[in-house]
Amino acid sequence: EVQLVESGGGLVQPGGSLRLSCAASGITVSGSHMSWVRQAPGTGLEWVASIDIDGNTYYAGSEKGRFTISRHNSTDTLFLQMNNLRVLDTAVYYCASGLWPWGHGTLVTVSS
Amino acid sequence: EIVMTQSPATLSVSPGERATLSCRANQSISTNLAWYQQKPGQAPRLLFYAASTRATGIPPRFSGSGSGTDFTLTISSLQSEDFVVYYCQQYHNGWTFGQGTRVDIK
Repeated sequence: EVQLVESGGGLVQPGGSLRLSCAASGITVSGSHMSWVRQAPGTGLEWVASIDIDGNTYYAGSEKGRFTISRHNSTDTLFLQMNNLRVLDTAVYYCASGLWPWGHGTLVTVSS
Repeated sequence: EIVMTQSPATLSVSPGERATLSCRANQSISTNLAWYQQKPGQAPRLLFYAASTRATGIPPRFSGSGSGTDFTLTISSLQSEDFVVYYCQQYHNGWTFGQGTRVDIK
């Protein structure tokens, strides 16, 4: 069974940084197209970033330059490094393998 | 950028009736479209990919159709657990999601 478990969320001040992790089991992150999707409170889904099997990375326009997606193949872990965080980055962040499955999400709150 | 537009924003339907949800892309995405269902407090659940291929475990009362720019999710006979939010997603070029359709009890 494939399982994705996110961690690393929490409360951070505007301008701060966080690194989210997504631990995968039942798959290899190097053999999957992996993505991060976020959902701000009470709103819809927003794609953040993806990394493909070849290691190419893709970002939604608003996050380019602030967010970095990466993976650690030996531990089957996906990461999202988020810098210069803004209040509008407050959301539940989900990782996904292909279109499915998704993890349960980790909450990031950016507030002073 | 590919923009996905879902309609209506809210759909009020009686239990046992049919619900038809629409999703439109601002350019052709072939059949590179997925549908998700999201229950409160939960991660989205994949219903369909390739516009009309049902994901594992999805009951046959759900059906997906369309290609190009216009897509439809149909729920043939609404059950109590179906009154939640549905999103379409294109994966033709990056990913973008529609804003969602909430299905409410009439």
